[in-house]
Order: sequence, then structure tokens, then C-alpha cells
Amino acid sequence: AQKITQTQPGMFVQEKEAVTLDCTYDTSDPSYGLFWYKQPSSGEMIFLIYQGSYDQQNATEGRYSLNFQKARKSANLVISASQLGDSAMYFCAMREGDDYKLSFGAGTTVTVRA
Amino acid sequence: ETGVTQTPRHLVMGMTNKKSLKCEQHLGHNAMYWYKQSAKKPLELMFVYNFKEQTENNSVPSRFSPECPNSSHLFLHLHTLQPEDSALYLCASSQDTQGRETQYFGPGTRLLVL
Repeated sequence: AQKITQTQPGMFVQEKEAVTLDCTYDTSDPSYGLFWYKQPSSGEMIFLIYQGSYDQQNATEGRYSLNFQKARKSANLVISASQLGDSAMYFCAMREGDDYKLSFGAGTTVTVRA
Repeated sequence: ETGVTQTPRHLVMGMTNKKSLKCEQHLGHNAMYWYKQSAKKPLELMFVYNFKEQTENNSVPSRFSPECPNSSHLFLHLHTLQPEDSALYLCASSQDTQGRETQYFGPGTRLLVL
């Protein structure tokens, strides 16, 4: 069974607008962590934001925020005030319990238009 | 900034060649990882080293041979590869293999096997 599902293969967003990238996950472990990574065309996977399953508040890092809805098992990434440099592939990933292994989703390609 | 470097960034090799990929992390981490990213497939974990000891070999063919001489360096030795091995090979590091630690990735090596 797929542990991470990203249903949007590609999205277009206008510069300076916000965009929401969907991520749903599947786990029976009460302790887990959710990560978002950005991968530009250069290939590097850049860590953006982390949300722990026991964290009381939604994670935020600058223009990135995570809309964590535990009951719905979703961890959507919101990018506010999009910039041209935000054009990239975005991956949602999860680790469960004390396991270091990350399960990655298929990714969403974001293209920011001027 | 990730502090993880990889060389070479691009590599073209024939099926009879022997080559090595190098990864170096400058973050003081103790765990290092090799991932394979093929087109239209999620990232696949290949090998994991924690404090220089291999802790994971995810059913990787023997034509891929990892080496971790110290906690800062990780190599992937390649020999008699197949065209289907063409992919982006990503190295990552984390403080250790405890599940809560974030993995930081390098820029990757784009490998083409002819």
C-alpha cells in the first residue's frame, strides 16, 4: 500500500500568489514525522519543513507552512507569495516510529508564472 | 544550505566500465544514505551507514558496492551496470539513524549508462 500520496502531478501558480500542495499519508503508528522537500531541476533535494505527529501546532518556516490535519491524515504544504524560484518538484515524505526510512510520494511539479 | 556535496555531478559510462560516485558531508553527521531516483518512480533507498557500519542494503544488485571509510565520506562503486541503472543518485546524511533526525541531501549525480 502506498504510504504517501500526492495526487497533483503538476500545478501552475501566478507569481505572488499562494499555492497548496496536497499530501495524504497512511500509517498505523501513532508516532511519525512528515517532511517536505523541494527538488529544483538541478537535482538537489532541499529540506523545507517538518511536522511531528505529536506537534500541537502546524509547522511554519518562512513562506512555507504545513496544514496538518491529523484526523484526515493530510499534511498539505502551503507556499505563500510564490516566487519564480519556487518552480520545482515538491516531495512529501514520512518516517514512522523510530524507523529512519523515509517513504516518499511521487511528487508535484510547481511552475510559477510571471 | 545542505553541506552535502557529491561528485561527479554528471557521469556517462559504458556497461563494462568501473566508476565511483563520491559523497561528502560537512555537517558532523554520523549516518549517510544512498538513494536512487529514476524517472517517474519514488525515491528508492539503497544503502544506509550509521557510524561507518552498513545497516541497510535494500536488495540492491551487487554491481553497486558502497564504501564508507569514515562518517564524512560515502562512496558508491559501480561496475558492469545496465542501461536501466541510469538515474539520479542522491546521497543524504543525518545526525544518526534515529527516526526523528532530518535527512539532508546532496545535489546528486546524474548517471547515464550506455
